[in-house]
Amino acid sequence: DSGVTQTPKHLITATGQRVTLRCSPRSGDLSVYWYQQSLDQGLQFLIQYYNGEERAKGNILERFSAQQFPDLHSELNLSSLELGDSALYFCASSVNPTGREQYFGPGTRLTVT
Amino acid sequence: DQQVKQNSPSLSVQEGRISILNCDYTNSMFDYFLWYKKYPAEGPTFLISISSIKDKNEDGRFTVFLNKSAKHLSLHIVPSQPGDSAVYFCAASMDNYGQNFVFGPGTRLSVLP
Repeated sequence: DSGVTQTPKHLITATGQRVTLRCSPRSGDLSVYWYQQSLDQGLQFLIQYYNGEERAKGNILERFSAQQFPDLHSELNLSSLELGDSALYFCASSVNPTGREQYFGPGTRLTVT
Repeated sequence: DQQVKQNSPSLSVQEGRISILNCDYTNSMFDYFLWYKKYPAEGPTFLISISSIKDKNEDGRFTVFLNKSAKHLSLHIVPSQPGDSAVYFCAASMDNYGQNFVFGPGTRLSVLP
């Protein structure tokens, strides 16, 4: 158990809909990272927050947005969902902004039908 | 364009023998590399890392070797155990803060008893 929690574990929704994925980092970790893993692909870095502020942006679509709240939990919002958005979404956390030892949550599996 | 490649999708090794997982990268600006292990239905787990100023880093049964001129790194597991059976991801970062990691597609290791 990494100490990072993600909810929900599974999500099935229809195209065009909007969903919110939630992540609680390990106690004491200030950085939160979001990744997308599509079928048979590696992890694609989406975005990083550090202590409430956006720190780095990767391959995140404009239809996606995220935020980190004062209690350090983070939410990833996915809107106007397409079939290709079906993937595993991982959240990770680290104590510092370098991210050189990230602890991953178990992931949320999103299925868009 | 894959900046981090793991050309072997899978690898089978006998218990007790050495497992060698390979990773190649194309961007010479990468200066920090990590290996993660992933079991089914779990998030990736950090294994070991190496900075570009080193060519070897060892942690117990795990050793990572870096050959900068060849843009190649490898993870050696000695001796391999059935519990090592998992998907292994190589990741690379190009800036001092390392928050924007590029992951390879992964290699599935099976350690046979």
